[in-house]
Parts: sequence; structure tokens; C-alpha cells
Amino acid sequence: QKEVEQDPGPLSVPEGAIVSLNCTYSNSAFQYFMWYRQYSRKGPELLMYTYSSGNKEDGRFTAQVDKSSKYISLFIRDSQPSDSATYLCAMSARAGGTSYGKLTFGQGTILTVHP
Amino acid sequence: GAGVSQSPSNKVTEKGKDVELRCDPISGHTALYWYRQSLGQGLEFLIYFQGNSAPDKSGLPSDRFSAERTGGSVSTLTIQRTQQEDSAVYLCASSLRFGTYEQYFGPGTRLTVT
Repeated sequence: QKEVEQDPGPLSVPEGAIVSLNCTYSNSAFQYFMWYRQYSRKGPELLMYTYSSGNKEDGRFTAQVDKSSKYISLFIRDSQPSDSATYLCAMSARAGGTSYGKLTFGQGTILTVHP
Repeated sequence: GAGVSQSPSNKVTEKGKDVELRCDPISGHTALYWYRQSLGQGLEFLIYFQGNSAPDKSGLPSDRFSAERTGGSVSTLTIQRTQQEDSAVYLCASSLRFGTYEQYFGPGTRLTVT
């Protein structure tokens, strides 16, 4: 079983819809949770970062972490065609753990927002 | 300023040949990371450098893979005797220091082994 599980989709939504992307994980040492966005034939770029549990909002994007359930989410409000990309969750452990400093990625979810 | 650059952007090679992939990190970034992204898979961590040192090489898939970094800057990932299963996009990332969550990725090198 992979340390991080993410539904690869693909996910297709109409413009303006609310998008929900999710990952589950098994390593309780993970403390840092990130969402990366990757456009076709480009490298991933950091979208959101959250430490430990809680919510974080940045414009149309909201990241949620529930450590008790080992579950993280990314919500995109008022989705736009320009949001069409692959979204990757990534996690890193606290200092001292064997996974410290390394990012463990989910498989990525392919999202298409159609006009 | 300039981001992470990688070369070549595409590489087609015959099975059994050696290839070298290059990464130029962001200036001043002390940590450098290599990942591999296969079709339908997430990013697989390969190796990281703190300065010129690679403390943990356990992520390298086999002993055909090696990496080095010189002058705390450019890094080269070498794959010897390439196999078809090595076909993937190889991504390099750098961060200001090791353990920083914010890693900046290059565009990747798409390797195809025929």
C-alpha cells in the first residue's frame, strides 16, 4: 500500500463549479502538507501549504487537513478553465523522521474545467 | 530571477546506452532533489543533496543510477545501461535549504528508451 493515496480521476467540471480534491495517507509522521499544480509538460508548482491540522484559505483555494482521519483536501471555488491541470498532494515528515525533507507525492488528479 | 533549468528537455536513447541529465538549481539554493514521474504515477523521490553531499541514496531504483553535484550548484543524474522501464520524466527541484517545504521544480527531462 502506498503511503499517500490520491484518486487520479480524471475529473471534469463546468466553469464556476466547486472542485474537491482529496488525499489519504498512512504515515502518522507527516506534519507538512502541500498541494502542487502541474500543467502539461511543466514541472509542479506549489499552490498551498499547511502545517499540521486545520484550514488555510488563499483566494479561491482552501486547503484542509484532518490528521485524526489522515485525510487532506483542496477546494477550488468558482473554478476556471485556467485551473485545468494535474493536482498533486505532497507530504513531509517532521525533523528527525526518516521521511524528513523528502516530499512524498500522491498520484495526482487530472482536472478539466470546461467553459 | 531564473528558475530551475534542466537539460536536455527531451532525450531518446537506445536500450543499453548511458545518459546524463543535468539540473541547474536556483542560485543560492543549497538543497537539490531529483524525482521521477512515470505515466500515471506520482512523483517518485530519487535522491537529495545538501550542498554537494547526498546523505541518502536509498531512493535510487538500482545501481545503474548515480548522481553528483559539484560546487554546490549543478547536478547530474546518470543512468547507465538504460532499460525501457527507465522511460519517464525526470524532475529536479531545489530549495533554499534542506527540509524547506517549498521546493521549486524545473520543467523536467523526458527520457524515452527504445
